[in-house]
Amino acid sequence: QQPVQSPQAVILREGEDAVINCSSSKALYSVHWYRQKHGEAPVFLMILLKGGEQKGHEKISASFNEKKQQSSLYLTASQLSYSGTYFCGTERFGFSGNTPLVFGKGTRLSVIA
Amino acid sequence: SQTIHQWPATLVQPVGSPLSLECTVEGTSNPNLYWYRQAAGRGLQLLFYSVGIGQISSEVPQNLSASRPQDRQFILSSKKLLLSDSGFYLCAWNGGLGGNSGNTIYFGEGSWLTVV
Repeated sequence: QQPVQSPQAVILREGEDAVINCSSSKALYSVHWYRQKHGEAPVFLMILLKGGEQKGHEKISASFNEKKQQSSLYLTASQLSYSGTYFCGTERFGFSGNTPLVFGKGTRLSVIA
Repeated sequence: SQTIHQWPATLVQPVGSPLSLECTVEGTSNPNLYWYRQAAGRGLQLLFYSVGIGQISSEVPQNLSASRPQDRQFILSSKKLLLSDSGFYLCAWNGGLGGNSGNTIYFGEGSWLTVV
């Protein structure tokens, strides 16, 4: 029931781009993206609520393909501060509202100089 | 604005000892509250959630329990800890009156538990 993320880990040099994918076996109503720095709590990045919706946060953007039941997170011109583990979360009960989120296993992103 | 706090931040407990982690949310009423656990290098596992006082739903059968004695207070407990209980425990919230719209979940600072 938890979403599946890929890749598990990626290493980038500063300025390079990366894509993190999140897919689900069930219908999605929203996708939530978080970033977690080592030893800290996850921090909310963005939520996508509608199929086809795209959002951006600095040079980080995301898309949501409702039909394909997947979302992608795009990191453009990566900075050292982008390093961390990225998680996507989806509704536990499959409808949009105040429900628990279940998360993928995360994608560890390392940006090196 | 809304804030969430949990404590203690770090604890080391022997196997078989009890556990109590506490979490409070400020700036909203009737929030949904959650406990997640993250084992070392692993993902976020939903343990419990609550939509109101005294209402607890368990996602994973184990030797842990949760309680919500007050509207904005959520407690994670164990009577006897196991080595496998070690991990990073995160309290989280969403919804509520005066809270955020949509389903965005916000996490507390986390509690590191090491069972020895």
